[in-house]
Amino acid sequence: DIQMTQSPSSLSASVGDRVTITCRASQGISSWLAWYQQKPEKAPKSLIYAASSLQSGVPSRFSGSGSGTDFTLTISSLQPEDFATYYCQQYNSYPRTFGGGTKVEIK
Amino acid sequence: EVQLVESGGGLVQPGGSLRLSCAASGFTFSSYDMHWVRQATGKGLEWVSAIGTAGDTYYPGSVKGRFTISRENAKNSLYLQMNSLRAGDTAVYYCARGRYCTNGVCYTRGMDVWGQGTTVTVSS
Repeated sequence: DIQMTQSPSSLSASVGDRVTITCRASQGISSWLAWYQQKPEKAPKSLIYAASSLQSGVPSRFSGSGSGTDFTLTISSLQPEDFATYYCQQYNSYPRTFGGGTKVEIK
Repeated sequence: EVQLVESGGGLVQPGGSLRLSCAASGFTFSSYDMHWVRQATGKGLEWVSAIGTAGDTYYPGSVKGRFTISRENAKNSLYLQMNSLRAGDTAVYYCARGRYCTNGVCYTRGMDVWGQGTTVTVSS
């Protein structure tokens, strides 16, 4: 199974800050990586697929990069509605696996 | 509107069974792979199963042999039959839309649409 490791597990940031979350795969997954946002008591929301492609309707302050084993999710200017938990997920192979999540909290 | 609505969750005793359903609307259900993903309280996301457009199925080791995913395209419905349930299966279960396949070509945007979830509690 491919292990997905996210870092950090949590971070505190202020509105307007640039935030970067990293995700590492235990083996190469090309660009078969997605990012999801989840707010408390809500279903996950898809943000990015194919490592860097934004889902329709996702604000352009979100961006993704990387390929192979190392990936990054960046929020260029954190907004109040962005405080949430973020997960990466590989879909290179089965079983699909998620990272442990990164909780973005208000400083 | 593209929508997924889960149902069938509830309280079940250890060793018992439960069948979850997911009703799809607003898209051509038969052309998409479908997934089940669960989340225990305070924990991360765990992929539970998938079914392809051809009916091929996939499971992680934690549920293989106990859970069965199926689909009924005529009813735009996805199911998860869960047997031999354990306390560790307690979670919110989400269905999610996966890869799109048409005319032998497939396109994927990850799991791009999610339902609101249904809660399964395994307890005596």
